[in-house]
Amino acid sequence: SQQGEEDPQALSIQEGENATMNCSYKTSINNLQWYRQNSGRGLVHLILIRSNEREKHSGRLRVTLDTSKKSSSLLITASRAADTASYFCALTGGSYIPTFGRGTSLIVHP
Amino acid sequence: EAGVTQSPTHLIKTRGQQATLRCSPISGHTSVYWYQQALGLGLQFLLWYDEGEERNRGNFPPRFSGRQFPNYSSELNVNALELEDSALYLCASSSSGMPFYNEQFFGPGTRLTVL
Repeated sequence: SQQGEEDPQALSIQEGENATMNCSYKTSINNLQWYRQNSGRGLVHLILIRSNEREKHSGRLRVTLDTSKKSSSLLITASRAADTASYFCALTGGSYIPTFGRGTSLIVHP
Repeated sequence: EAGVTQSPTHLIKTRGQQATLRCSPISGHTSVYWYQQALGLGLQFLLWYDEGEERNRGNFPPRFSGRQFPNYSSELNVNALELEDSALYLCASSSSGMPFYNEQFFGPGTRLTVL
């Protein structure tokens, strides 16, 4: 099964700035999910976007999906120190098991 | 509503021993998933149980095994521990056997250290 690749591996910004991270993949998917993980603890689900959707919003989060480019992006607007975490994309294809990338480490400085 | 719980929080074993990790899903959830997260790596899928049956298995040796009980809680067993088994083991649950449709809710994890 394929694995998404997040880019960049690490991102450091100031509070109030926007943070953008990307996820690229190689084969077709059914859906793509974004998760957040704080300090090596459990993951928190952020957004699920299906292959026939192009954009979804949840609060300060905006996710886009471009199936022609096989990529997705997660935008966090007006970031806060509490957004400091690792962010993972998880792809679901024919096996129905989400596969996770290595994540983007985001640090938001107060 | 209680979330996914895992026990123990930390587990220290020596090489060659066996480890047992436990997971209780959210009430009403029938599917349980196990993942391994080694330091600096993404989550690697281990096992998926639904309605007491093993539905899918990741690319791990047979010494990684588990089961799901009638109350949908689950156990992960790792036999003949090796140093590279040291990792955070995460359990997740979802409301049906279709991860395609449903988000997974994760527990806080069990950190296994093999010395």
